[in-house]
Amino acid sequence: QLQLQESGPGLVKPSETLPLTCTVSGGSITSSDYYWGWIRQPPGKGLEWIGSIHSSGSLNHSPSLKSRVTMSLDTSKNSFSLRLTSVTAADSAVYYCARAQSDTKLRQYWFDPWGLGTLVTVSS
Amino acid sequence: EIVLTQSPGTLSLSPGEGATLSCRASQSLFSSFLAWYQQKPGQAPRLLLYGASSRATGIPDRFSGSGSGTHFTLTISRLEPEDFAVYYCQHYGDSPGLTFGGGTKVEIK
Repeated sequence: QLQLQESGPGLVKPSETLPLTCTVSGGSITSSDYYWGWIRQPPGKGLEWIGSIHSSGSLNHSPSLKSRVTMSLDTSKNSFSLRLTSVTAADSAVYYCARAQSDTKLRQYWFDPWGLGTLVTVSS
Repeated sequence: EIVLTQSPGTLSLSPGEGATLSCRASQSLFSSFLAWYQQKPGQAPRLLLYGASSRATGIPDRFSGSGSGTHFTLTISRLEPEDFAVYYCQHYGDSPGLTFGGGTKVEIK
């Protein structure tokens, strides 16, 4: 059974960079059938997709966050990472990683399964 | 970017009643590329439906989905106590971007 686990600092200072890692177990991130994505949820609010990376290296970003997002794969650790630069209080949220189905045209589909999420607070 | 609008914001119902949740897209969705998720407090979202109407593994048949184009519906035929939660729709497919609806909370009346 595929499981995902997010890890990262619980607290980040404004203007700094938020690094997050998602470690995958029970399956390989090198499978060509999937994207690996990041979604966040500010406290009490809805879900916002951040971006996704395919095993081929193909990237999809939310247009609103694209300029601040970097994503990468680490096949040696079967994990993938997100870096969000120049954070502000508006970036405080629970950050989830999840797997998304893909197809031969590299279209991204629904997210399943999800990690448990990690709470990130941006504060000085 | 496609905008998804969910209604109502909150639905107050009793166990055993049926629920109908709406998700409207700002433009027609290619091939009904729409998913529904359930989220309970303190938990990650769980996939319920994809392709607008296909149930994910392990999802009870009291959950059903319908719709095409710009209007989609999630129906819960008889609410069980564990169904009271927030429900989100999400479109997927071609870039740029995936988007989620704002959510509908189904609460106990």
